[in-house]
Amino acid sequence: GAGVSQSPSNKVTEKGKDVELRCDPISGHTALYWYRQSLGQGLEFLIYFQGNSAPDKSGLPSDRFSAERTGGSVSTLTIQRTQQEDSAVYLCASSSQGLGTEAFFGQGTRLTVV
Amino acid sequence: GENVEQHPSTLSVQEGDSAVIKCTYSDSASNYFPWYKQELGKGPQLIIDIRSNVGEKKDQRIAVTLNKTAKHFSLHITETQPEDSAVYFCAASIGWGQFYFGTGTSLTVIP
Repeated sequence: GAGVSQSPSNKVTEKGKDVELRCDPISGHTALYWYRQSLGQGLEFLIYFQGNSAPDKSGLPSDRFSAERTGGSVSTLTIQRTQQEDSAVYLCASSSQGLGTEAFFGQGTRLTVV
Repeated sequence: GENVEQHPSTLSVQEGDSAVIKCTYSDSASNYFPWYKQELGKGPQLIIDIRSNVGEKKDQRIAVTLNKTAKHFSLHITETQPEDSAVYFCAASIGWGQFYFGTGTSLTVIP
């Protein structure tokens, strides 16, 4: 498909384990975003990648969270030593950037920490 | 940084009536304002957007208006249908970097 793809769609993990969430952006999109959405809440910014520039990590809630984007395409969000408060839907979006270009979201990964 | 406020948080309308959702923003540098619709269990879907050089944009039953002076923009849905029921988010951007989202409006269209 031509949309943003995220995997897995659901992930249940034990407290203290590490998890990796994957995002495949739309081909050719230079900008990639990660947001977190807790149950019934809004969208919390985590991190933003744009081309080869240094990512904007200002939204990462703690040093247990990290993300990388390899080859300007696929991105992985890693959460180390997961806590119950990390349970949420993690959303990835991509855009072709430029002045006010649309961002398209994936379906999200629902993370449950038990 | 930018601060986007959205009202109301919940909205119920009768089928066929209109629904209006309002957002304000704080950063005068913001120049792009998209609206997203999120259905249960799905990611947000872009439904309409407006850029700062335009005051109004319409797409069938959906319209968005922008008042740059007052720093507010609104989503208007006419002739609402049950399938319009969802959570709607407004957002603002300066054209690069993160999108700043409102807190969402849960719209229920009553048949």
